[in-house]
Amino acid sequence: QVQLQESGPGLVRPSETLSLTCTVSGYSISSGYYWAWIRQSPGKGLEWIATIYHSGYAYYNPALKSRVTISVDTSKNHFSLKLRSVTAADTAFYYCAREISMRQVYAGHFDYWGQGTLATVSS
Amino acid sequence: IVLTQSPGTLSLSPGERGTLSCRASESVRDNYLAWYQQKPGQPPRLLIYGTSSRATGIPDRFSGSGSGTDFTLTISRLEPEDFAMYYCQQYGSSPGTFGQGTKLEIK
Repeated sequence: QVQLQESGPGLVRPSETLSLTCTVSGYSISSGYYWAWIRQSPGKGLEWIATIYHSGYAYYNPALKSRVTISVDTSKNHFSLKLRSVTAADTAFYYCAREISMRQVYAGHFDYWGQGTLATVSS
Repeated sequence: IVLTQSPGTLSLSPGERGTLSCRASESVRDNYLAWYQQKPGQPPRLLIYGTSSRATGIPDRFSGSGSGTDFTLTISRLEPEDFAMYYCQQYGSSPGTFGQGTKLEIK
């Protein structure tokens, strides 16, 4: 059974960088599929952030692309998100998920999700 | 693509039929439309993908239909565990986007 678990600090100061990691168990990232970050806030609902393949090939939501980096470490079977220059608007639950990608359109649906981690931006 | 779900809240009783709507601001390529269920304190759960294909383990009382800009999730006979939030998502064009959700509550 595929399981995903997010980890990272729950509190980030404004203008700093939010760093999150998603550890995958029950499946080797190197075996395939795409892996994504999605966030959910009361104000903006569900928002896809970025997606990565084990090769490092990645695509991003244009609304966040200038501030986001997604990376993968196949040796640790995890992938990570960095969101720079955060503001209160970035306060949200952050989920990692496995994406069934329609690669030709740089989008997909999500069949396995982590439980989510709340990231709060506050001084 | 902006997805608009209606109604915002749907109040029904167990055993009744539930019909949830998702309308897209433009046509969804190849009908790449998914539905998710979310309960408090839990992540979304994939129900339907490709407009009408049920995800693994999803009961057949859940069905999806539609094409172009208009899509529907139907729950044939509501069970107590079906009362939750429901979201549609399009992945026919990038960025993939979600609707704002429909809350299905017990009447």
